[in-house]
Amino acid sequence: DQQVKQNSPSLSVQEGRISILNCDYTNSMFDYFLWYKKYPAEGPTFLISISSIKDKNEDGRFTVFLNKSAKHLSLHIVPSQPGDSAVYFCAASAHNNNDMRFGAGTRLTVKP
Amino acid sequence: DAGVTQSPTHLIKTRGQQVTLRCSPKSGHDTVSWYQQALGQGPQFIFQYYEEEERQRGNFPDRFSGHQFPNYSSELNVNALLLGDSALYLCASSLAPSGTPEQYFGPGTRLTVT
Repeated sequence: DQQVKQNSPSLSVQEGRISILNCDYTNSMFDYFLWYKKYPAEGPTFLISISSIKDKNEDGRFTVFLNKSAKHLSLHIVPSQPGDSAVYFCAASAHNNNDMRFGAGTRLTVKP
Repeated sequence: DAGVTQSPTHLIKTRGQQVTLRCSPKSGHDTVSWYQQALGQGPQFIFQYYEEEERQRGNFPDRFSGHQFPNYSSELNVNALLLGDSALYLCASSLAPSGTPEQYFGPGTRLTVT
């Protein structure tokens, strides 16, 4: 069962513009959400996270928004840079559950 | 500070064979999780090891087994390989107990079953 969904396989944006990556989840027990970035031939790298007690977390150019009622979260990257081009995975976990669930990923391409 | 390392990088096996993949966690980490990432999919949780014991297991058959050593390194064993086991196998480490579940991933082992 696909408890975490990233419905956009790919996204292309112009350098300097905002990138918005979306993620939906179905399990209401999830209380912690993470975004990972993956370059080819490398493992996923942790980017930013948010607890369910918050609705926004910001770290430099990266902001994650959580809408619990809609079971939706999004990652905003602004301004986008060519080096941000990678596959972005959304992940979710429930308290005291080590089974972290990942979406299928969104490939972001930032064009110069 | 060494990150998560995995070996080998690539592996080709035949159906029915057995394979062992290895992982060394990030320095200071004591918990190791294994994931299978099929092409075009996100990583899928196989199991997690802590204090040399399997702490939790995902929806994978008993053909998948693991081990954690006293130095926190870990092995993933897959018996009776099937074509469908072809995937990227990722190891992730973390420090338990921790307030947040961030995990640090290795580069993965690409397993091809022919």
